[in-house]
Amino acid sequence: QLQLQESGPGLMKPSETLSLTCSVSGGSISSSRYFWGWIRQPPGKGLEWIATFSSTGLTYYNPSLKSRLTISGDTSKNQYYLKLRSVTAADSAIYHCARHTIISAGPPRIDFLDSWGQGTLVTVSS
Amino acid sequence: SYELTQPPSVSVSPGQTANIACSGDGLGNKYASWYQQRPGHSPVVVIYEDTKRPSGIPERFSASNSGNTATLTISGTQAMDEADYYCQAWDSDTASYVFGTGTKVTVL
Repeated sequence: QLQLQESGPGLMKPSETLSLTCSVSGGSISSSRYFWGWIRQPPGKGLEWIATFSSTGLTYYNPSLKSRLTISGDTSKNQYYLKLRSVTAADSAIYHCARHTIISAGPPRIDFLDSWGQGTLVTVSS
Repeated sequence: SYELTQPPSVSVSPGQTANIACSGDGLGNKYASWYQQRPGHSPVVVIYEDTKRPSGIPERFSASNSGNTATLTISGTQAMDEADYYCQAWDSDTASYVFGTGTKVTVL
């Protein structure tokens, strides 16, 4: 059974760089059937997609965050990562990693998020 | 940027039908997914590829997508269906995934 586990700093200060790791077990991030993504949720608010990548080298970023983001993976460790630079209080949220099951890479793109990690809370405060 | 709009809340009596709308420009030309998020839990997909239910999702969950609106329908709503629901789609113009604003379903 696939499991995803996020890890992160918990508390950080404004202007720092957030580094998150998603450790995947029960499945391989090198599989071409899946993409791997990050989604965040400020406490009490809605879901916001952040970024997604594939082991074949495709990367997709939320346009509103793109200038501050880098997503990458390490197939040897079966982990993938997110870096978000110059954080502010507005970046405080629960950060989830999740797997996209790809039905069609497109066009048209048909996929869905079938497995999610439990999430890790990141708080940005001075 | 592409946006998906949902009503903030929907109330339904046990055993009745709840309809949750998700509106976006040309959404019917994209493929929508729906996610259920119970308090304190991670989201779970209940519908993908507009109308398909993953294994383990009850038949009372169904959906449609046409024009500018996708709709999630919960028939015979149960207390356990009380949760937040989010639609989601891929926008090819911006090469990005988009979530709807979310709807809180309350079973009265």
